[in-house]
Amino acid sequence: ILNVEQSPQSLHVQEGDSTNFTCSFPSSNFYALHWYRWETAKSPEALFVMTLNGDEKKKGRISATLNTKEGYSYLYIKGSQPEDSATYLCAHTGTASKLTFGTGTRLQVTL
Amino acid sequence: ETGVTQTPRHLVMGMTNKKSLKCEQHLGHNAMYWYKQSAKKPLELMFVYNFKEQTENNSVPSRFSPECPNSSHLFLHLHTLQPEDSALYLCASSQDLVSYNEQFFGPGTRLTVL
Repeated sequence: ILNVEQSPQSLHVQEGDSTNFTCSFPSSNFYALHWYRWETAKSPEALFVMTLNGDEKKKGRISATLNTKEGYSYLYIKGSQPEDSATYLCAHTGTASKLTFGTGTRLQVTL
Repeated sequence: ETGVTQTPRHLVMGMTNKKSLKCEQHLGHNAMYWYKQSAKKPLELMFVYNFKEQTENNSVPSRFSPECPNSSHLFLHLHTLQPEDSALYLCASSQDLVSYNEQFFGPGTRLTVL
């Protein structure tokens, strides 16, 4: 993996469903992995920053895991709600200051 | 509100115009960034400033000229742009350049070059 790749590109789930997305990144020269949530017409908002292999972070119904050795991170949303509808971006830092973003996973949650 | 504001929110300009984008952060951060997002592409870093000094220019064409007069303000001066420069331009700030510091983003300026 040379770049940051996210899958799926888009996802449509019903309220109450649990879902997860994948972020793949170069496993060499790793500094940190960021997850951002970006609602339409708003600013991207940081969800998590993870630095250590095996890190797990949780904020309400959203959680994330990190595997730096194999170069992937998962974002989980439990019991999706319509307000979770947004684009979820991951970004990798292979140098101290430069974030390299993926194209994002666009989530739509319907009633 | 993220504490980062950008003006204008929308801008339409001709290829011969000169315009400037403004970003201001009210968070006391030391590092500021310009990003570009074109349709169907990931956010792309353009410039990084730390304590008013430019630390990164990601091979950006000279028709984009950044300016950082102090740690709270960042400008992007635009001149003789091309239609392919139409995109969303986002400003961000972070406490400093340490990789684990989250970045706080503004709402962006939607630029259309005719």
